[in-house]
Amino acid sequence: AQSVTQLGSHVSVSEGALVLLRCNYSSSVPPYLFWYVQYPNQGLQLLLKYTTGATLVKGINGFEAEFKKSETSFHLTKPSAHMSDAAEYFCAVSQESSGDKLTFGTGTRLAVRP
Amino acid sequence: KAGVTQTPRYLIKTRGQQVTLSCSPISGHRSVSWYQQTPGQGLQFLFEYFSETQRNKGNFPGRFSGRQFSNSRSEMNVSTLELGDSALYLCASTPGGTVYEQYFGPGTRLTVT
Repeated sequence: AQSVTQLGSHVSVSEGALVLLRCNYSSSVPPYLFWYVQYPNQGLQLLLKYTTGATLVKGINGFEAEFKKSETSFHLTKPSAHMSDAAEYFCAVSQESSGDKLTFGTGTRLAVRP
Repeated sequence: KAGVTQTPRYLIKTRGQQVTLSCSPISGHRSVSWYQQTPGQGLQFLFEYFSETQRNKGNFPGRFSGRQFSNSRSEMNVSTLELGDSALYLCASTPGGTVYEQYFGPGTRLTVT
């Protein structure tokens, strides 16, 4: 079985400040990890993914995440928040044995203050 | 390439009715997955189709069903609608065959009254 926990359903940062969104996963086998972003009234857009190899993953819009097996974490960061980053962010996990089924966390809504 | 398209984008139905939602994957993608998104339950996996076969299924009642056609287009059907079925239904496609990132459509917003 696999699961994802996102700590903090709402995060608020000032424009230009560091963004840190937390994600911890549970998986009995090596996981595949993803971060998606959802803007209002839209579908999900992939920010970045970890499958194998380098544990520091860079994505679009200046986001990156680090896979830490010992901590079962895959936190999302961005050095400097922009107003356009305000959205809902979802961490998701999958396994090779589960095909294309994604298990999502409950999401973190990011607000950016001017 | 065109993205994943879903029709209709918005739908209002009455309790007890049935509804069919459609999803056209990215050209060349053979796997289509469906998810339900609600404020209370978040994003939940419904089912996945690959080459016209259901490959994976979530924990939803039998009122929820789907199918995939030879051109990879997929439909999902919900019979005997309940108020709790009000949700955003998202479709996602991948090339299939192994674990890939999924490409999501804009969703169909279903409201049951």
